[in-house]
Amino acid sequence: KNEVEQSPQNLTAQEGEFITINCSYSVGISALHWLQQHPGGGIVSLFMLSSGKKKHGRLIATINIQEKHSSLHITASHPRDSAVYICAVRGLGGSNYKLTFGKGTLLTVNP
Amino acid sequence: KAGVTQTPRYLIKTRGQQVTLSCSPISGHRSVSWYQQTPGQGLQFLFEYFSETQRNKGNFPGRFSGRQFSNSRSEMNVSTLELGDSALYLCASSGGTSGNEQFFGPGTRLTVL
Repeated sequence: KNEVEQSPQNLTAQEGEFITINCSYSVGISALHWLQQHPGGGIVSLFMLSSGKKKHGRLIATINIQEKHSSLHITASHPRDSAVYICAVRGLGGSNYKLTFGKGTLLTVNP
Repeated sequence: KAGVTQTPRYLIKTRGQQVTLSCSPISGHRSVSWYQQTPGQGLQFLFEYFSETQRNKGNFPGRFSGRQFSNSRSEMNVSTLELGDSALYLCASSGGTSGNEQFFGPGTRLTVL
C-alpha cells in the first residue's frame, strides 16, 4: 500500500464546476504539498500546509492532521486548470524527512 | 529572480554509459533535491543536498549519486545506465524566506537505448 493515496485518479469536469481532489496518507508528517503539472510542462508548487486551510485565488487546500487527509478544491473550474495534481507529504525527521508522492490526479476541464 | 535551471533538457544515451545532469537553484536557496519521474512509478525522491552535504537519500541503487558545490549548484550522476533509468529527472530548490516550499526546474528527459 502506498503511503500517499489520491482519489480520483482521473476527473473530467465541465467549465465552471466545483472540483475536489482528495489525498490520504498513512505516516506522521511535517507538511503536505499540492503540486500541479501540465502535460509536457514542469511542476509548480500550489500549496504547502501543515494545518488548517489555505486559499489562493480559486484554489483552496485543507488538511486534517488527525484524520491524515487533505483536499484540494478548485472553484469555478476553467479549461486552463486541466493538469495533473500531485499530493506529496514530508515525513517527520531523519531519513523520513523527504517528500513521498501520490500517483497524481489527471483533471480535464471541458469548455 | 531567475527560476531553477537544469541542463541538458534532453539526453539520449545507450546502456552501460554514464550521465551527469546539472541543476542551478534559485539564488539564495541552499537546498537542492532530485527526483525521478516515470509513468509507472510516478515521482520518487532521489536525494537532497544542503550546504554541500547530502542530507537525505531515497531508495535508489548506488549507481545514482550526486554532489553540491559551494555555490549551491548540484549535479547528479548515473553510472552504468539501464533501460529502466529512462525518465524525467527533476530538481527542486528551497530555502531563504520560502522555507521548505519546493521550486522545481523544467527537468531533464533522459532516454536510454
